[in-house]
Amino acid sequence: AQRVTQPEKLLSVFKGAPVELKCNYSYSGSPELFWYVQYSRQRLQLLLRHISRESIKGFTADLNKGETSFHLKKPFAQEEDSAMYYCALTPGAGSYQLTFGKGTKLSVIP
Amino acid sequence: EAGVAQSPRYKIIEKRQSVAFWCNPISGHATLYWYQQILGQGPKLLIQFQNNGVVDDSQLPKDRFSAERLKGVDSTLKIQPAKLEDSAVYLCASSFVTREEKLFFGSGTQLSVL
Repeated sequence: AQRVTQPEKLLSVFKGAPVELKCNYSYSGSPELFWYVQYSRQRLQLLLRHISRESIKGFTADLNKGETSFHLKKPFAQEEDSAMYYCALTPGAGSYQLTFGKGTKLSVIP
Repeated sequence: EAGVAQSPRYKIIEKRQSVAFWCNPISGHATLYWYQQILGQGPKLLIQFQNNGVVDDSQLPKDRFSAERLKGVDSTLKIQPAKLEDSAVYLCASSFVTREEKLFFGSGTQLSVL
């Protein structure tokens, strides 16, 4: 069975400090990994996906198949980054049958 | 573009009552998903539609939950009868056919079962 683990429920960092949100997964095949974000009073939305290899709002995530991890990183946190972050995976088939982690709430302290 | 529309925004019912949620996906999106998000958890997939056909409903508790997308556009999710553990946010999401396109979520319906 596939599983996504986000070990931290809450992560607090100071503005300007580096951020790393951890995500580990278990899946026997070659999944596609995503990070979704939910800002206060807004809808869940895609932040980035590993196949795009792009940086969104300064965030990056590298898929490490050996460690089965997909950690989300940003070198300098901003107050507007405060939000709920969910790591998710979908099997290597053409659908969004996503398995989500429990989420990490990021709080950036001014 | 208009987003995924869901209604009602909130619903409070007593256990053993029935409830229905409605979703209107983004125009042209053939694929529609219903997710259940219990407080403190990530969303959990309930059912996937492709046009008006069910692709996967393996995680839908079929003894009490049902969903339909009769004309391949709007969808309804029903719970009958509701249990206390059904209290959650029910999210609808839609996308084009291929996974290369983004998935868009609605605002959700927050259900409280008393």
